[in-house]
Amino acid sequence: AQSVTQPDARVTVSEGASLQLRCKYSYSGTPYLFWYVQYPRQGLQLLLKYYSGDPVVQGVNGFEAEFIKSNSSFHLRKASVHWSDSAVYFCAVRSSNTNKVVFGTGTRLQVLP
Amino acid sequence: EAAVTQSPRNKVAVTGGKVTLSCNQTNNHNNMYWYRQDTGHGLRLIHYSYGAGSTEKGDIPDGYKASRPSQENFSLILELATPSQTSVYFCASGDARGRNTEVFFGKGTRLTVV
Repeated sequence: AQSVTQPDARVTVSEGASLQLRCKYSYSGTPYLFWYVQYPRQGLQLLLKYYSGDPVVQGVNGFEAEFIKSNSSFHLRKASVHWSDSAVYFCAVRSSNTNKVVFGTGTRLQVLP
Repeated sequence: EAAVTQSPRNKVAVTGGKVTLSCNQTNNHNNMYWYRQDTGHGLRLIHYSYGAGSTEKGDIPDGYKASRPSQENFSLILELATPSQTSVYFCASGDARGRNTEVFFGKGTRLTVV
């Protein structure tokens, strides 16, 4: 069975600072990995996805993530955050054979002006 | 972009009553999913489906049934609603072909069981 761990429930950074949100997954096969963002009272929107190939994937709004197989990690990064990046971020893993998609508990990001 | 529509958007139900949450997608995706979102738990998978006529148990299926009568529609059914089922429910759809591996979400249904 697959699972996702996001160890940081809340992260607070100042505007313009760099950001890393941590994600570790557990899955025995080749994973499909995702980061989603949720703004208040909205559904989830895809930020980026890893399917195969280059382990560093680029997403929307300057976000990127790196797949590190040896560490079972898929951390999200941004070089310089903006106040509008304040939201809840979810990491997810999809099974390549069952299509089951499992999410982590989310990280609430607060960007201080 | 994929369109996933949930109805109702808000629902107040009484304990012991039957509740049906509906989801419709217009992009011919094979896979559909129901999640609930609760503080501290993130999104938890209740049921999912590979296509019309199929339903699979997710990680927290107890107290819920699912129905997939067509490619477009996927319902979540609470036969005997309980206050512990008060939550925000999200439907999602996705495909399994090629690089299109992500799921697309509806806007959610806020259910309160009193």
